[in-house]
Amino acid sequence: DAGITQSPRHKVTETGTPVTLRCHQTENHRYMYWYRQDPGHGLRLIHYSYGVKDTDKGEVSDGYSVSRSKTEDFLLTLESATSSQTSVYFCAISEQPTGELFFGEGSRLTVL
Amino acid sequence: EDQVTQSPEALRLQEGESSSLNCSYTVSGLRGLFWYRQDPGKGPEFLFTLYSAGEEKEKERLKATLTKKESFLHITAPKPEDSATYLCAVQPLDKLIFGTGTRLQVFP
Repeated sequence: DAGITQSPRHKVTETGTPVTLRCHQTENHRYMYWYRQDPGHGLRLIHYSYGVKDTDKGEVSDGYSVSRSKTEDFLLTLESATSSQTSVYFCAISEQPTGELFFGEGSRLTVL
Repeated sequence: EDQVTQSPEALRLQEGESSSLNCSYTVSGLRGLFWYRQDPGKGPEFLFTLYSAGEEKEKERLKATLTKKESFLHITAPKPEDSATYLCAVQPLDKLIFGTGTRLQVFP
C-alpha cells in the first residue's frame, strides 16, 4: 500500500473558523491532489501540486488554499469554514499526471 | 461538456451470480479510463487503466472492457468480499472526471 497519511481523520468545527488538513506521503511521488467526496457527486478536485511550491486550482477551489513546502507534505486550508464545506476530503498521490492515483484514508470534516 | 455516468447506482447480487457494471462517457478526447474500488470509510483503490477501444484488463473475478462510448466492469462469480462501491474515471487531456459510482452488495 502507498504510504499516505491524512490528519486529522475526523474534525468537527464551527462556521467561520480556519481548518487545516494535512497529507503526508512516504513514496516521494511528485504529484499530490486534494479531492472532496459528497453524496450524489463524483470525487471533485480541489487543488493539486506538481512539485514543491508548485500548485494549481481544480474545479472546486473557491474557499480553499494549499501549500507544499516539502515533497512529502501537502496542506489544505479552509480560511473560514462554511457548512457547504462539510465533506470527506481525500488526498491522493501519483508518480505521473495520469489517473492512476493512490488515495489516503480520508478526513471527514463537519462544519456546524 | 465532458461527462461520466455510471449505472446502476446500486446492485445486489447473490454469491456466484455474475453481472456487469456500466460506465458511459462523453469526452472531447480520451487519454485513459480508470476503475477504482472503494470500501466504506476508505479511500478509493486503483484497479485498472484502459487506453483504447477493444482493450481488456483482468484481475481475479473482475474484467474491464472499453469501447468508444463506454466501459464495462464484469464481475464473474462474485463473492461477498467483492462488495464495495466501484468508481469509474475518465481523463480527457489534463483533468480527471469521476463518476458517482455503483454500490455493489454480494450476499452469501
